[in-house]
Amino acid sequence: GAVVSQHPSRVICKSGTSVKIECRSLDFQATTMFWYRQFPKKSLMLMATSNEGSKATYEQGVEKDKFLINHASLTLSTLTVTSAHPEDSSFYICSARFRTRGETQYFGPGTRLLVL
Amino acid sequence: GQNIDQPTEMTATEGAIVQINCTYQTSGFNGLFWYQQHAGEAPTFLSYNVLDGLEEKGRFSSFLSRSKGYSYLLLKELQMKDSASYLCAVYGGYNKLIFGAGTRLAVHP
Repeated sequence: GAVVSQHPSRVICKSGTSVKIECRSLDFQATTMFWYRQFPKKSLMLMATSNEGSKATYEQGVEKDKFLINHASLTLSTLTVTSAHPEDSSFYICSARFRTRGETQYFGPGTRLLVL
Repeated sequence: GQNIDQPTEMTATEGAIVQINCTYQTSGFNGLFWYQQHAGEAPTFLSYNVLDGLEEKGRFSSFLSRSKGYSYLLLKELQMKDSASYLCAVYGGYNKLIFGAGTRLAVHP
């Protein structure tokens, strides 16, 4: 099946620093990539939708200047958490939708961010 | 508004059958997904229903009734490894997946 990878899988950083998370589709070209965050025992909350070569569409309440999304190619999207604070600590998951796979989204393994 | 409801927790015995229900009210409907998520891991795709009826895939089956805004995931011959959270997600308007809070299933010997 389609494979989506994320890097890093886990990151610990100091408050005020920026963290970049990469999401790659390994086997297919992704028409759209999505970024979610998930708090413990809660469901996934969509942060933004990213189409290759265009600006990301952010969900209400998500600060686009804090969560920078770049979708430079059909296989790579990056999420940068700028000036991270402890409340940004969460599980960040990307997903991808592929041209040949219809509406199904395939999820990456997630990145656990801990801001001290 | 958008609302997806599913039970918070369920328990079942190894070898048994369990049904996890999901009801939804969303603006737009283009299909319903079920995902499995083990603790600390990303969700994995289980099923996708866009038409009414039952879709069977091995030990897992998923049912959809669009007129009732209702779906269920049926797990047969439960195994210990089936202990996980099961997420119901509706592909609604604006091409977005809306997730329920998930049902944590615990399978006991």
